[in-house]
Amino acid sequence: AQKVTQAQTEISVVEKEDVTLDCVYETRDTTYYLFWYKQPPSGELVFLIRRNSFDEQNEISGRYSWNFQKSTSSFNFTITASQVVDSAVYFCALSEGPTGANNLFFGTGTRLTVIP
Amino acid sequence: AAGVIQSPRHLIKEKRETATLKCYPIPRHDTVYWYQQGPGQDPQFLISFYEKMQSDKGSIPDRFSAQQFSDYHSELNMSSLELGDSALYFCASSFQGPQETQYFGPGTRLLVL
Repeated sequence: AQKVTQAQTEISVVEKEDVTLDCVYETRDTTYYLFWYKQPPSGELVFLIRRNSFDEQNEISGRYSWNFQKSTSSFNFTITASQVVDSAVYFCALSEGPTGANNLFFGTGTRLTVIP
Repeated sequence: AAGVIQSPRHLIKEKRETATLKCYPIPRHDTVYWYQQGPGQDPQFLISFYEKMQSDKGSIPDRFSAQQFSDYHSELNMSSLELGDSALYFCASSFQGPQETQYFGPGTRLLVL
């Protein structure tokens, strides 16, 4: 059965610090997709990144970077030089199957608070 | 760029009443998903539709039903509402194909009194 674990329930950092959000997943499928979504206090779910199971390249987008390691079933997310606007709940999610367009299984989320 | 539209954004109902939530997917997206997010919880998948046919079913109560129409918009019908149905209901849409992503609407916040 599929499962996504975000062990960190809440994290607080001071502005400009780096922070890493952990995500560990379980799946029996060999083809799957991993996602990160951001949910700011306003409530919407904002797509951040998608990674498929065959692409273990790390990715950097501005202050965001992602480290995907199949050997440890982890897909961690790092924010560099955090800002107050980064304060949100971050969800890691898994979609099984070849397209990434199947239903998402979410982790329980990590609430990040960036203190000015 | 056009996003997923959900209406209404907020809804207050009494117990045992009915509610209908609407979702308009991103243009050319052929798949719609519904999720329920309780307070302080992660979103839980309810049901999805591809080309107007139900494609997958999650933890949707029997009191709820949904459908996708010919213009690809979808409606979630909720009957005999209970206090525990109070939640944020998200609709997401995607295009079926490799490397596709679900994009979420702003959600409908339902409060059952």
